[in-house]
Amino acid sequence: QSVLTQPPSVSGAPGQRVTISCTGSSSNIGAGFDVHWYQQLPGTAPKLLIYGYNNRPSGVPDRFSGSKSGTSASLAITGLQAEDEADYYCQSYDSSLRGVFGGGTKLTVL
Amino acid sequence: QITLKESGPTLVKPTQTLTLTCTFSGFSLSTSGVGVGWIRQPPGKALEWLALIYWDDDKRYSPSLKSRLTITKDTSKNQVVLTMTNMDPVDTATYYCAHGVRQWNDAFDIWGQGTMVTVSS
Repeated sequence: QSVLTQPPSVSGAPGQRVTISCTGSSSNIGAGFDVHWYQQLPGTAPKLLIYGYNNRPSGVPDRFSGSKSGTSASLAITGLQAEDEADYYCQSYDSSLRGVFGGGTKLTVL
Repeated sequence: QITLKESGPTLVKPTQTLTLTCTFSGFSLSTSGVGVGWIRQPPGKALEWLALIYWDDDKRYSPSLKSRLTITKDTSKNQVVLTMTNMDPVDTATYYCAHGVRQWNDAFDIWGQGTMVTVSS
């Protein structure tokens, strides 16, 4: 199983707000390591959405935002759109500076 | 514009060694703050972080696979090579290489398209 825990699935109607959680431990998120979020559309490579808790690369809409509290982080998507239907992964590093991913969350737009 | 492309065999036999090459353009691995990582994804499953090499030749490996992995870079050829020994059917996956940004706390901002590797006799 993955080091970071995500819900297997979330869903929401167009226009709604959804959040995806990412739970780690004191050896990764809780130790202060940044959390990054990736979006993977079906059949494509992952795309960086959020880096360092709540920074968006150029071109990523501000509908996507990140946050962190203790040993967990969250990705929020507001104004849900059909094109947001994808798999979402969180990623961080552990105290040995090795990368870790979450198990992924499938977002369904109803 | 940064691009990366993975290449290597699509089929390997159990116990064989897999060698994958990531050929990139748009950046140099001799530039401070730059890294290239490898990530894999078994069919229908989650991403798994494998290894990362930095501009200064610092190398990081997944603890669970460290004994089987080697990552190297050839700055003159703009390539990063990942070798994985003793391949097993559970290693069947799409293997991605990605550009890492130290300034962004080692987030992978640009990914290759991935290459599917099947392990079967």
